[in-house]
Amino acid sequence: GNSVTQMEGPVTLSEEAFLTINCTYTATGYPSLFWYVQYPGEGLQLLLKATKADDKGSNKGFEATYRKETTSFHLEKGSVQVSDSAVYFCALGTNAGKSTFGDGTTLTVKP
Amino acid sequence: DAGVIQSPRHEVTEMGQEVTLRCKPISGHDYLFWYRQTMMRGLELLIYFNNNVPIDDSGMPEDRFSAKMPNASFSTLKIQPSEPRDSAVYFCASSLAGNDSPLHFGNGTRLTVT
Repeated sequence: GNSVTQMEGPVTLSEEAFLTINCTYTATGYPSLFWYVQYPGEGLQLLLKATKADDKGSNKGFEATYRKETTSFHLEKGSVQVSDSAVYFCALGTNAGKSTFGDGTTLTVKP
Repeated sequence: DAGVIQSPRHEVTEMGQEVTLRCKPISGHDYLFWYRQTMMRGLELLIYFNNNVPIDDSGMPEDRFSAKMPNASFSTLKIQPSEPRDSAVYFCASSLAGNDSPLHFGNGTRLTVT
């Protein structure tokens, strides 16, 4: 079956530090890959996505590249801000409609 | 677009009472999902619908939980009778068909059962 494994948290960084949150997946077929972000008191919202191998998704300074050879989709940002503090979820989607989510990684950025 | 709308935002009830959570998906979306989120178990898929038809309810914890989607613009999740261990945030999400379509989540209903 499909599965997503995320780097365990929580992650605490100082403002302007470099961020990497690791994500690897197992899937049959050709899934799309997503990163979602959840701010306190809110639902998950799409941060970025990639639909095929070697695609790079990007948004708000965050980037992730779909690596089929390593089955990975690591999230990176060059300089984090306090406002980036949130929970980040890696997920994969298939044509069957159902998405598979990782366990989430809590990021805290300190000024 | 108003996004996925859930009501109520907060619900506090006593053990044994019936609870009904409501969801209005984004117009035109093909799929609707109900999730539950807790600190202990994280994000769990309870049930999902395609074109108003339930596809997979294997995540529904017990017979006390039921979900309906009478039309394309409305779904309910009912718990009867409620128990303290049902306390969680319940999210509804909707999406278009296709593996490249992201889920759009509502802001959730925080349920507290005392």
